[in-house]
Amino acid sequence: EAGVTQSPTHLIKTRGQQATLRCSPISGHTSVYWYQQALGLGLQFLLWYDEGEERNRGNFPPRFSGRQFPNYSSELNVNALELEDSALYLCASSRETNSNQPQHFGDGTRLSIL
Amino acid sequence: DQQVKQNSPSLSVQEGRISILNCDYTNSMFDYFLWYKKYPAEGPTFLISISSIKDKNEDGRFTVFLNKSAKHLSLHIVPSQPGDSAVYFCAASPTGNQFYFGTGTSLTVIP
Repeated sequence: EAGVTQSPTHLIKTRGQQATLRCSPISGHTSVYWYQQALGLGLQFLLWYDEGEERNRGNFPPRFSGRQFPNYSSELNVNALELEDSALYLCASSRETNSNQPQHFGDGTRLSIL
Repeated sequence: DQQVKQNSPSLSVQEGRISILNCDYTNSMFDYFLWYKKYPAEGPTFLISISSIKDKNEDGRFTVFLNKSAKHLSLHIVPSQPGDSAVYFCAASPTGNQFYFGTGTSLTVIP
C-alpha cells in the first residue's frame, strides 16, 4: 500500500510569490490534514479536509488556503509569501472522521522563502 | 498557547536500557493520544496510540501510559536500540481529528 505522497520535495520562492503544495492520501483515506513545522517548533495544525470540504482550520491567516479534489488528493496554497513561511509542510491522511484513527504522514515539502 | 508539551528537548540512553519520553497536556477534553517517531528528512511515523478509556497500551517494545488526572502520558521503549534514535512527538485530540502536537524529544540511543 502506497503511503501519503507529497510534491514537490523542496520548493524555493521569493517574498510575495505564491506556492502550491500537493498531497495524495493513502488509498481509502478520505481525510487530509496539513501541518506546518517551522524550525524548532512542533507541528502546527493548518487545515483539515474531508470529502471535499474544509472541516477546520488552524490559527493561520487567510493567505493559507487549500482544497480537496474528488479523488481525495489535496493542494495547499500559500499566497503573498513571507519569510516566516519558510518551514516543512506536512500532509497527513486518515481513514474516516469522528473516530479515533491515527494520521499517517507524508515526508513533507520543504518551503524556503528567499 | 502550547496545549501539549514535551519539556525535555533531548534524551540520551544506553542501548538495552529503558527510554522514557514524557508528555504533558493542558486540555481536559483531549481523549485520544498518539506517539510518532520522526527521522531526519522523513515524515512522522505513527508508533502507538491510547484512548482515554485506557491507562496503558503495549505494542512490542513500546508501551504508552496515560495518567488522566495528572494530564500526563509517557512512552516507554524497552529495550532501547540504536535504530530508535529519532525525534519523538506526542499528539492529542479531543475529537480524533484535529491533533495538537508537542515540540518533540530527540532520543539518542548510545551503542
